[in-house]
Amino acid sequence: GESVGLHLPTLSVQEGDNSIINCAYSNSASDYFIWYKQESGKGPQFIIDIRSNMDKRQGQRVTVLLNKTVKHLSLQIAATQPGDSAVYFCAERPQGGKLIFGQGTELSVKP
Amino acid sequence: EAQVTQNPRYLITVTGKKLTVTCSQNMNHEYMSWYRQDPGLGLRQIYYSMNVEVTDKGDVPEGYKVSRKEKRNFPLILESPSPNQTSLYFCASSSQGSGYTFGSGTRLTVV
Repeated sequence: GESVGLHLPTLSVQEGDNSIINCAYSNSASDYFIWYKQESGKGPQFIIDIRSNMDKRQGQRVTVLLNKTVKHLSLQIAATQPGDSAVYFCAERPQGGKLIFGQGTELSVKP
Repeated sequence: EAQVTQNPRYLITVTGKKLTVTCSQNMNHEYMSWYRQDPGLGLRQIYYSMNVEVTDKGDVPEGYKVSRKEKRNFPLILESPSPNQTSLYFCASSSQGSGYTFGSGTRLTVV
């Protein structure tokens, strides 16, 4: 069935290092992808999105890469800060369909 | 400020006592949705609405009802709550082609 998953359930990085969070998706018909950040006790917060006609998109300290050949999505966070500690979800949307969320990766930033 | 507002944030209730969780958005979004989030299961969609008076079941609709009489409001109704509905609930809204904006969540405990 359709699913969105993550390679690593937890990721621990040193403050100042770059973080890479990976996500595999299974529906080749998906044309829109989003990364969300969820801090403890809060709702998911939109970070960055990318459409299937792109393979890279940059925001402030974040970059999303899309590899449609292997159905892989990644989120790169530059110069990771303690405030980046959270659970990160990827989500995919098949054409005309609704968002499908992955389980999430917990990012822990060590000072 | 553009936002999705849920109330209450926390609720403890007893089995069988009807309750309503309210959700309101101020972004004139057509699409609204309810999710529940449980450890190890991620975000699961309960119900969604494409526009006023248009609602449909998500992945886990049993035991829930919704209504969409106005564009901005999308209340979640539990007619007869049971302990297995103890969960963290999120309302979300979006316009066509964009990502979701989530509310801050409602933590429901049914005893």
